[in-house]
Amino acid sequence: DVKVTQSSRYLVKRTGEKVFLECVQDMDHENMFWYRQDPGLGLRLIYFSYDVKMKEKGDIPEGYSVSREKKERFSLILESASTNQTSMYLCASRGRGVVLGYTFGSGTRLTVV
Amino acid sequence: DAKTTQPTSMDCAEGRAANLPCNHSTISGNEYVYWYRQIHSQGPQYIIHGLKNNETNEMASLIITEDRKSSTLILPHATLRDTAVYYCIVRGRGDSNYQLIWGAGTKLIIKP
Repeated sequence: DVKVTQSSRYLVKRTGEKVFLECVQDMDHENMFWYRQDPGLGLRLIYFSYDVKMKEKGDIPEGYSVSREKKERFSLILESASTNQTSMYLCASRGRGVVLGYTFGSGTRLTVV
Repeated sequence: DAKTTQPTSMDCAEGRAANLPCNHSTISGNEYVYWYRQIHSQGPQYIIHGLKNNETNEMASLIITEDRKSSTLILPHATLRDTAVYYCIVRGRGDSNYQLIWGAGTKLIIKP
């Protein structure tokens, strides 16, 4: 019954590597989001997309980019991973024009060494 | 700044009703109240939402005061698996800003 799937649960990467975090949803939702969650800072929005090939910056986009080539898939890219990007990354989706809540994936815990 | 205020933590005995309060005194007429929870090391899970009427689903009940300045999430028969951080969030239906403002939430601990 999983509806938002994140490709990896745990990931360890080296500083300077290019990192891809993948997210797929099967609910035909228009809107998709990438958050990171750090202790004491809560959830912070990195990027979101409201349609295919569309993207908007959230609160903390620096060091990240995104790609949405298909409606069901939203990728987060760390161009050159740094240790301060060690975090829990959460993907979410939501349908357009509906009041219902967001559906989140299980998260990817990324460690950059 | 977060639009809601919640207690930092609460305890509840297993099998009893857990009542989680939330203050949202600046809520506007078109803003909904949403509740999510996050079990350790998992993504947040949507629980319930409401505008002004009380709501109930298979997971919980939501009681919103008449002036809409506060609400209470009720888990009628708490189990150990309900131990989680519970977030209360307000959001307008027509928000062009897709961001949800996540506060620190309430850490609910269910004790056997």
